[in-house]
Amino acid sequence: AQTVTQSQPEMSVQEAETVTLSCTYDTSESDYYLFWYKQPPSRQMILVIRQEAYKQQNATENRFSVNFQKAAKSFSLKISDSQLGDAAMYFCAYRSLYNNNDMRFGAGTRLTVKP
Amino acid sequence: DGGITQSPKYLFRKEGQNVTLSCEQNLNHDAMYWYRQDPGQGLRLIYYSQIVNDFQKGDIAEGYSVSREKKESFPLTVTSAQKNPTAFYLCASSIDWDGQETQYFGPGTRLLVL
Repeated sequence: AQTVTQSQPEMSVQEAETVTLSCTYDTSESDYYLFWYKQPPSRQMILVIRQEAYKQQNATENRFSVNFQKAAKSFSLKISDSQLGDAAMYFCAYRSLYNNNDMRFGAGTRLTVKP
Repeated sequence: DGGITQSPKYLFRKEGQNVTLSCEQNLNHDAMYWYRQDPGQGLRLIYYSQIVNDFQKGDIAEGYSVSREKKESFPLTVTSAQKNPTAFYLCASSIDWDGQETQYFGPGTRLLVL
């Protein structure tokens, strides 16, 4: 079964600085999807960014970008120009291409943004 | 506005009682999901439904039941057989069960045992 590991339970960044959150996963599949979700104190899960494994180009959404290393099974999230509103739990998730129900989440990284 | 709604926001359960969590979506999504979130952990799949009148067990279905009588609705019942129900419950939906579409989440329900 696929597993997702987030090795940083907590991270901290100064406002306007850049921070990188780590995620590794284990799979035997060659095609799949990877996601980063943000969960603010309201607890609602919000999609931040998604990456298709068959695409070599790293996904980017405004201040959020990923570093997808397929061979290393690594999928890190970079947040540039950090804002106070970025403070939240961030979850990395893996989804099988063949089974939409098979979505695996990491344990999460709590990001604190210091003013 | 289109979206996913969950109610109630907080729910209290007495010992031996069944309780039902509501999930409604007006996104015209085919697939719906229920996840459980415990402190310090990621989400774990309880049940999912790809289409009306069909649903499948996820990783931790024991002590839970669901129904999918309408496309818009996917209620979750936490039965008395679930011995540790205290958790945060998230409902999600996606446009197609085997497509490439992202899952979108509702605001969640926190269930507490009295």
